[in-house]
Amino acid sequence: AQSVTQLDSQVPVFEEAPVELRCNYSSSVSVYLFWYVQYPNQGLQLLLKYLSGSTLVESINGFEAEFNKSQTSFHLRKPSVHISDTAEYFCAVTGSGGYQKVTFGTGTKLQVIP
Amino acid sequence: DVKVTQSSRYLVKRTGEKVFLECVQDMDHENMFWYRQDPGLGLRLIYFSYDVKMKEKGDIPEGYSVSREKKERFSLILESASTNQTSMYLCASSSDRAYEQYFGPGTRLTVT
Repeated sequence: AQSVTQLDSQVPVFEEAPVELRCNYSSSVSVYLFWYVQYPNQGLQLLLKYLSGSTLVESINGFEAEFNKSQTSFHLRKPSVHISDTAEYFCAVTGSGGYQKVTFGTGTKLQVIP
Repeated sequence: DVKVTQSSRYLVKRTGEKVFLECVQDMDHENMFWYRQDPGLGLRLIYFSYDVKMKEKGDIPEGYSVSREKKERFSLILESASTNQTSMYLCASSSDRAYEQYFGPGTRLTVT
């Protein structure tokens, strides 16, 4: 069994300030980890993923996340947010050994304040 | 670009009606999924399919069924709609055994 915890349901932050969205997971097997973003009235889009290799992964729009196996975390960070980053962010986990379903967190709404 | 389309963006149905939600993907993905999204609950998996005519129950299959007669199409069926099925329904597809999923825009279903 696997689970994902996103403790923060909403995170307000001023434009150009840094932000961290927290994600912790539990799993009895090795995992693959994902962050998805959902803009208003749209479906989810993949933001970044960790499958193997470097534990620090980056997206094309400046977000990064670090896989920390000892702390079972995959927090999402951005050093300077823009208004356009206002969206809901979902952390997700799946087992790495063969087919397993993906489990999503409950989401964190990032509100960027001008 | 992968494209996942859903038949309706908004749908209003009455209690007891049979409801069909259609999803089509154009990237020849083996795997398709149906989720419902509710505030504070995130995405919950209803059903998934990793091959034509194959289906597996997700976490909340009660009150739903699915059909996958062709690889590109995955239908969600509410046999007798109830008010507690009012929700946003999201379809997704993937290759590589559910690692990276591509989502449709969603169908907001209201059951009155």
